[in-house]
Parts: sequence; structure tokens; C-alpha cells
Amino acid sequence: GDSVTQMEGPVTLSEEAFLTINCTYTATGYPSLFWYVQYPGEGLQLLLKATKADDKGSNKGFEATYRKETTSFHLEKGSVQVSDSAVYFCALSEEENTPLVFGKGTRLSVIA
Amino acid sequence: EAGVTQSPTHLIKTRGQQATLRCSPISGHTSVYWYQQALGLGLQFLLWYDEGEERNRGNFPPRFSGRQFPNYSSELNVNALELEDSALYLCASSLVEGYEQYFGPGTRLTVT
Repeated sequence: GDSVTQMEGPVTLSEEAFLTINCTYTATGYPSLFWYVQYPGEGLQLLLKATKADDKGSNKGFEATYRKETTSFHLEKGSVQVSDSAVYFCALSEEENTPLVFGKGTRLSVIA
Repeated sequence: EAGVTQSPTHLIKTRGQQATLRCSPISGHTSVYWYQQALGLGLQFLLWYDEGEERNRGNFPPRFSGRQFPNYSSELNVNALELEDSALYLCASSLVEGYEQYFGPGTRLTVT
């Protein structure tokens, strides 16, 4: 079945450092890919998405590019802030309106 | 536009009791998904409802059940509660034609 693998956390960075959170996937078809963020005590928020190869999703300074050849969707940000401290989930969906398959999540802590 | 809402925010039950969790989707969304986020286990898909019908369920026992009402709101019922049912239960909604799911803040269920 489909699966998503994320790098193990926690990840601790200093403010203004560069962030990369690796995500790779296994899917039988051609999925859409997502990054969700969960701030402490809250539900999930959609951060960005990409629906086809070479698409780049971006939001709030975060970016991720859909790489079909390497089945990857790594999350990057050039300069993290303390307010970016959260848990980040990579997810995929094979078809419209079907359940998401999530990675286990990566906890990011940014210190001033 | 109001987002996905869930109630109650917190729920404390005793082992063997039943719990009922509620979810109201974004206006215009007809699909509702339930996910369980247990400590250390990531997000696990529970149930998917669309147009009042159960479309799919994850790998959970039958004591996890639910329904979707004509106004597309949904209810998750957990019978014969066990300690390991303690988790954050997240509801998400989506349009019929779309990949994106929008999450509510969750209900934290504690079983003692």
C-alpha cells in the first residue's frame, strides 16, 4: 500500500537557520502531495501542496518540490523563526476525495 | 467562512464507557474524515463519510463507528472504551472534487 516516510525528529535549530525536512513516498499511482503543520495544542493546517511532477508548493516562506524521479517532497525554509516550532506532517492522496496517508511527523523546535 | 468545528474539546471517560464526538464540516463540504492521533503513532485514518454513507474505514475494530447527518455533520462513536483509545481525534472535511482536507482543532479523549 501507499506510505510516507519522514526524517526522524526532533529537529532543533537556531533562529534564522536553514531548514530541511526530508519526505519520501511510495504510491502505486500518481499522488498529490501535502505538508501539514500542527502547532502546539491545535489541529492540522495545510501548509502547502503539489499535484504533479516538478510542481513547487510554497507558503509562509516554506517550499517543497514534487520530485517524481526520487519520489520525494522535501520541505525547506531559508530562515526559520521561533514561531515555526511545530510538528510537520508529510502526506499523500492518490485520488480526489480519499483519505490521506500521513508520515509520522517531524517535531521542529527553533530556539532564539 | 467558518472552519471545521469539533466538540467537545476534551472528553474524559472511564474504561468500558462509550464516547461520542461531533464534527461540523466547512459549509459546502460533503465529505468528512476522522483520524486518530495517538501518542507516538502518528495520524491513523479511521472513517470516511460522504453524502451520508460510510465510504471507507481504516484498520480499527467495529466498536469505532459513526454516521453522517443530512446536513453533512458527523458523529464518531467509540464503544467499550479501552485505555489505548486515549488520543486526539481529528475531523477533516473536503469538497467532493478535491484533494485538500481541512482539519478541525480536535477532541482530546482521555480514558481512565
